Amino acid sequence: EVQLVESGGGLVQPGGSLRLSCAASGFTFTNYWMNWVRQAPGKGLEWVANITPDGSENYYVDSVKGRFTISRDNAKNSLHLQMNSLRAEDTAVYYCHFTSRRPYWGRGTLVTVSP
Amino acid sequence: EIVLTQSPGTLSLSPGEAATLSCRASQSVTNSYLAWYQQKPGQAPRLLIYGASSRATGIPDRFSGSGSGTDFTLTINRLEPEDFAVYYCQQHGSSPITFGQGTRLEIK
Repeated sequence: EVQLVESGGGLVQPGGSLRLSCAASGFTFTNYWMNWVRQAPGKGLEWVANITPDGSENYYVDSVKGRFTISRDNAKNSLHLQMNSLRAEDTAVYYCHFTSRRPYWGRGTLVTVSP
Repeated sequence: EIVLTQSPGTLSLSPGEAATLSCRASQSVTNSYLAWYQQKPGQAPRLLIYGASSRATGIPDRFSGSGSGTDFTLTINRLEPEDFAVYYCQQHGSSPITFGQGTRLEIK
């Protein structure tokens, strides 16, 4: 059974940093692009970043470029999102996500950026 | 990137009626990698349909998906009270993955 379990969310002040992690199991992690998707309170779903299977390339939505870094550890089947210079508008539930023929999601971790 | 436009924004119907939700893509969706989700407050998105027309495990056959290319439809027959929620479409055939803005299905 595919499982994606996010961790690392919490309350952080504007300008602060947070590192999210996603533990993956039940599939061949090294075969898939991985994504982070977020959902701000009362808003829709927004793709944030993705990374190639070997970790050599990554891509970001414009609003997080230069502040967020996606990475993966294929030896540990884990995905990470380092978030720096956090802003109030980064407040959201962050989901670990990948797709094969069908999509798979974790349950999400809440990040709150507030003084 | 592929832009997905969902319509209508809000749909007001009564239990027992049928709902038709639309998702239109700005470019053709590769391999019909189009998914539909249901989301209720405080919950993660629940996968309903993938590959445009395949029901996910445990989804009642009242839910059906159709379409290809740039036009996709989610149909919900015989609406139950628990079906009133927000519905999103997603394409994952091209990077980056993108989502529609959502359709709110509310009780009339």
